[in-house]
Parts: sequence; structure tokens; C-alpha cells
Amino acid sequence: ETGVTQSPTHLIKTRGQQVTLRCSSQSGHNTVSWYQQALGQGPQFIFQYYREEENGRGNFPPRFSGLQFPNYSSELNVNALELDDSALYLCASSFRTGNLLGTEAFFGQGTRLTVV
Amino acid sequence: AQSVTQPDIHITVSEGASLELRCNYSYGATPYLFWYVQSPGQGLQLLLKYFSGDTLVQGIKGFEAEFKRSQSSFNLRKPSVHWSDAAEYFCAVGASGGSQGNLIFGKGTKLSVKP
Repeated sequence: ETGVTQSPTHLIKTRGQQVTLRCSSQSGHNTVSWYQQALGQGPQFIFQYYREEENGRGNFPPRFSGLQFPNYSSELNVNALELDDSALYLCASSFRTGNLLGTEAFFGQGTRLTVV
Repeated sequence: AQSVTQPDIHITVSEGASLELRCNYSYGATPYLFWYVQSPGQGLQLLLKYFSGDTLVQGIKGFEAEFKRSQSSFNLRKPSVHWSDAAEYFCAVGASGGSQGNLIFGKGTKLSVKP
């Protein structure tokens, strides 16, 4: 059991709306990464938060934004939803110090977002 | 640019047979390589990882992988497959300057197991 929890598990939104997805990291972890997994594809890195700041970003537009809170939980916000945003959104938590690699990343079960 | 290729989209093996899933990567320096498994409706679980040292890496659930720099490959193997191994398998490489949470994944190989 990884200890990374995501909410909600499923969500349906209309094109143009905004959505917020939530992730509680595993106890002791200080880094949260977000991934988008489209149907039949591998996960794609969106961004990572470390010590409440964005620390690395993939090839996603600015309408994908995030937050990390003092308790290391995190939110992923997507504005102006498009049909192609329909996907499984995965959150992963890990622990980093000065060592970039840090510890193994543990994944949550994901939020299935459908945009209609 | 870093990338990962998994040439096989779908593989079917009989229970008890051996398994090899292929993974090729493109990376300028010494790569950090991972194999994850995803069961339907589940998140990803780490099977094994390679950072340095011995090129044959042992993982959980009886899986192993071999890093071959000359072939830019990191193939996953299991000597005897169980029905519970049916799932999707993803190979990943650690992004440059990133942590273990910053990964580039392949498109995955779906494994089906025949009784």
C-alpha cells in the first residue's frame, strides 16, 4: 500500500470548464509529481513540486498549474478544459534532500477525468 | 531528447512460460532506468530500477532486467509467468537533472496470460 491518495476518483467536466484534482502524499514525502496518462499511452510528466515550488515541468501549456501545501499535499488545476484533456491523472510522491534522485516515487491510483 | 521505446504493444504468453519485454532508450549520459507495472484501475507499482553497478537487476515478484549500454536496452524478464502477472508494463528513464519522480515513460506493453 503506497499511501498516496487522490481525489476524486472519477470526474466529468464540460469543455471550457476548470477542474482541480487533489493528491495527498505519502507520509514523510516532500515531493509531488503529476502525470497525464491518455488512453493507450504511457504517463506523461506534467510538473513536479518540491518545497512548495514548481521544480521541473513537462511540455504542457500554462493552463495546467499546480500548488503544493505546507503539509506537502498538492493540487493540479486545469483551466479552459479541452476534449484532449480527457485522461487518467496520476500523482506520485517521493522524498528529496540535496540528492536530486531522492527516494522511489510512489503513485496514487489516479483521477479519471472525462471532458465532454 | 530523452525517449523510451517499447516495441511490443501487446504480448500473450502461456502460464508457466518465460517472458521478455523489450525496452530501448535514448539518453545522452548514464541513464536511470525503471520498470513499472499497472493493473487495471490501479496506479503504477515499481518493479525494479537501475542506477549503476551490476547490470542485472533483481526486482519484486520474480522479475529481473538487464541493462545493456551497447544496445541501449533494458529488457524485463521473468522465467515463469503467473496468471496474476497479466497487466500493463511500462519502462521509464529518469529525466536529466530530475528526481525519481520526474520520469519519461514508454507507451507500455500489455501482457496477457493464457491458462
